[in-house]
Amino acid sequence: EVQLVESGGGLVQPGGSLRLSCSASGFTFSNSAVHWVRQAPGKGLEYVSAITGNGGSSYYRDSVRGRFTISRDNSKNTVFLQMSSLRPEDTAVYYCAKDSIFGVVDSRRAFDIWGQGTMVTVSS
Amino acid sequence: DIQMTQSPSSLSASVGDRVTITCRASQSISNYLNWYQQKAGKAPNLLIYGASTLHSGVPSRFSGSGSGTDFTLTISSLQPEDFATYYCQQSYTTPRTFGQGTKVEIK
Repeated sequence: EVQLVESGGGLVQPGGSLRLSCSASGFTFSNSAVHWVRQAPGKGLEYVSAITGNGGSSYYRDSVRGRFTISRDNSKNTVFLQMSSLRPEDTAVYYCAKDSIFGVVDSRRAFDIWGQGTMVTVSS
Repeated sequence: DIQMTQSPSSLSASVGDRVTITCRASQSISNYLNWYQQKAGKAPNLLIYGASTLHSGVPSRFSGSGSGTDFTLTISSLQPEDFATYYCQQSYTTPRTFGQGTKVEIK
């Protein structure tokens, strides 16, 4: 079964750190980019970060750049999101999602597999 | 970044109704547009990619259309399991921005 499983969330004080993990199974992990998307309580989906299949390229939204670091260990089929200097506004459910390519000639990309999410709460 | 704007933000409808949700991109994205469904407390699920192609296993009552900047998700006959929040997302460039969501509620 193709799946992603997040872990590492929890309660942390402002200024603290957490490391989220996204473990994959059922597909060739090193061929897939992985994205992190978060959802604050009662709010919509917010794109946070991404890493290419070989780990050579990454992206961060402005509000987390310099505080979050995305990485991956393809030998362990796992992507990590190291979060530091956490702020109350980082409170959210964090999802990892697999980027898939559909079609050959006129291909399109979409997130076809999502993890169940892990809750991060930043509060004193 | 490309901004995605959905309308309406919420709607109330009855089982059997035809429902239409629109999504507008701040610049042309060709047909690099995806739609997701999210039920309460669950991760999003992919419905449509490439603006109009149904993902595997998605019922045919769902359809998508549009190109350029204006897109539409239509549910031809709303079913009880369709009450959820729907998001559009552009896949034209990174960041893969989402619309703010449209909540479909029971009338």
